[in-house]
Amino acid sequence: DTAVSQTPKYLVTQMGNDKSIKCEQNLGHDTMYWYKQDSKKFLKIMFSYNNKELIINETVPNRFSPKSPDKAHLNLHINSLELGDSAVYFCASSQFLTGDYGYTFGSGTRLTVV
Amino acid sequence: GDSVTQMEGPVTLSEEACLTINCTYTATGYPSLFWYVQYPGEGLQLLLKATKADDKGSNKGFEATYRKETTSFHLEKGSVQVSDSAVYFCALSDFGTGFQKLVFGTGTRLLVSP
Repeated sequence: DTAVSQTPKYLVTQMGNDKSIKCEQNLGHDTMYWYKQDSKKFLKIMFSYNNKELIINETVPNRFSPKSPDKAHLNLHINSLELGDSAVYFCASSQFLTGDYGYTFGSGTRLTVV
Repeated sequence: GDSVTQMEGPVTLSEEACLTINCTYTATGYPSLFWYVQYPGEGLQLLLKATKADDKGSNKGFEATYRKETTSFHLEKGSVQVSDSAVYFCALSDFGTGFQKLVFGTGTRLLVSP
């Protein structure tokens, strides 16, 4: 199926741990994003990559490090997890020059830090 | 920066009632406008879009018209169904930094009862 897929779907971990979330898209898009959705459903962009190059970094703490090995993958590594990092993280992709067609989102990763 | 304001929810309706969810935006340029829907436990899906003033986006009985004079993009449906229960997000595409990103409103939860 053509889609944006994220793993894992659920992640429960203790404060101070390091964890990664993976994202892959097979839509042939050249731009990928990470969004954070908080407990009130508010969505905020964290990062955007275009053809493996970082183009948007919305003042996210240094503990968050995205990595894009190729334009079909955008992974998110989080160091020293804090309680406030608990949220749902969504990966998305779009075709940069035709971004007006909107994004395709993954189904989200619910991160719970205890 | 650009921003989107949505009406607070939840919006509670009986099946077959009319729906309007208000959305207004602030933008320095001429953004494209979107409505996304998030069903429980799922990611966001593009519901409809409009790319220029007076455009009407429509899908699954929902529609919204890009009103530049009132900077609005209200979502409407003539007769809602229980299956429409979800969170609805208004969004605009922001090219303010030279790269496109979607800026979302806070979301409006719709609850439809039989």
